[in-house]
Amino acid sequence: ETGVTQSPTHLIKTRGQQVTLRCSSQSGHNTVSWYQQALGQGPQFIFQYYREEENGRGNFPPRFSGLQFPNYSSELNVNALELDDSALYLCASSLKTSGISTDTQYFGPGTRLTVL
Amino acid sequence: QQQVKQSPQSLIVQKGGISIINCAYENTAFDYFPWYQQFPGKGPALLIAIRPDVSEKKEGRFTISFNKSAKQFSLHIMDSQPGDSATYFCAATPPPGSGAGSYQLTFGKGTKLSVIP
Repeated sequence: ETGVTQSPTHLIKTRGQQVTLRCSSQSGHNTVSWYQQALGQGPQFIFQYYREEENGRGNFPPRFSGLQFPNYSSELNVNALELDDSALYLCASSLKTSGISTDTQYFGPGTRLTVL
Repeated sequence: QQQVKQSPQSLIVQKGGISIINCAYENTAFDYFPWYQQFPGKGPALLIAIRPDVSEKKEGRFTISFNKSAKQFSLHIMDSQPGDSATYFCAATPPPGSGAGSYQLTFGKGTKLSVIP
């Protein structure tokens, strides 16, 4: 069984730039959720993707967007980066059947984004 | 609005002792309560989870106690070991298919546990 993988591990960008983060879901999982974890805080839900569509969104502005591909992998895109976007970005995968997701989400190691 | 409040922020326990971390929630729609363990530089890993139809769940040295009327739940780590030193997060989510929010985990702010030899 392959776990959740994310790339890159670390990334440094400057304010105003755009960034794309990638996630491969755990084998057998079809749903991907993205979370932002600021230093010393718990993860905050950004959005979830299922069947290549956004399936729910947290309190994040539209400059945070995503994609899910037919193989269930996903991308998180952030435009017009701000200093406060510096955080660990976590991807979590889960299984949804008949439109109902299971509760258990399995997290990847994260991408550490630093915005200067 | 912080829907899941976690305490203490940090905890130091002697090896072999009991570590206790507490969480309280506000949303009565929550019905799944997982605990995650996170080591530095790693993503959170699911440790143990409980639903409100039981008051306690035990897996090895880890036990969740759940008090539905008080809207509180806690993690007990028995015989704490230095390898347990990590940050622990409680989380909660509404039932699958319950509509808005049923897909998202709401996390506490975390407890940094240090187990000293």
